[in-house]
Amino acid sequence: EAGVAQSPRYKIIEKRQSVAFWCNPISGHATLYWYQQILGQGPKLLIQFQNNGVVDDSQLPKDRFSAERLKGVDSTLKIQPAKLEDSAVYLCASSPLRGAYNEQFFGPGTRLTVL
Amino acid sequence: EDKVVQSPLSLVVHEGDTVTLNCSYEVTNFRSLLWYKQEKKAPTFLFMLTSSGIEKKSGRLSSILDKKELFSILNITATQTGDSAVYLCAVGVYNNNDMRFGAGTRLTVKP
Repeated sequence: EAGVAQSPRYKIIEKRQSVAFWCNPISGHATLYWYQQILGQGPKLLIQFQNNGVVDDSQLPKDRFSAERLKGVDSTLKIQPAKLEDSAVYLCASSPLRGAYNEQFFGPGTRLTVL
Repeated sequence: EDKVVQSPLSLVVHEGDTVTLNCSYEVTNFRSLLWYKQEKKAPTFLFMLTSSGIEKKSGRLSSILDKKELFSILNITATQTGDSAVYLCAVGVYNNNDMRFGAGTRLTVKP
């Protein structure tokens, strides 16, 4: 079974630039999550999708972050404009079950460095 | 505010040692506690605990939950260098679409 795929694996940008991350979940997984993991901290949930609908985005900084999952499969997370404090690993996870309290399958992440 | 606290933050042991990692939590409407192992970047699932006092075991790893004292432990016996990783504890709650992670315990196993 193929795992969660993410790209790019690494990205370096200047502050105020824009960046987008892509995630392809495990086939058949209806629930998709985006996390931000700052160095030395645990992952922080940004947004949760159920199929192509947003279940919860209360921790997403909506002034600069946006995410979509148009056809209920792939998802993109965008930051525009980026700030220095956005430097982190962005993890995508998926699950066949609804509810963030269940087991999730994580992708390899994208390491973002904002200079 | 919901809190998940892991201890110790880091640990260095030698192969063959036994280690115990701790996770304490303060959340409302507790639903589950999960342990993940994070090597490089992607966390991989180890255990999910929902009931007190029932040990979950997988090879040399085991974990148990105490819902009265609000903590869980992860034990690793006969450690190997391949156990070196960050171990993350996460707590999920009912009626809340969030999974709160602790900061993790970085385990280093030396040959």
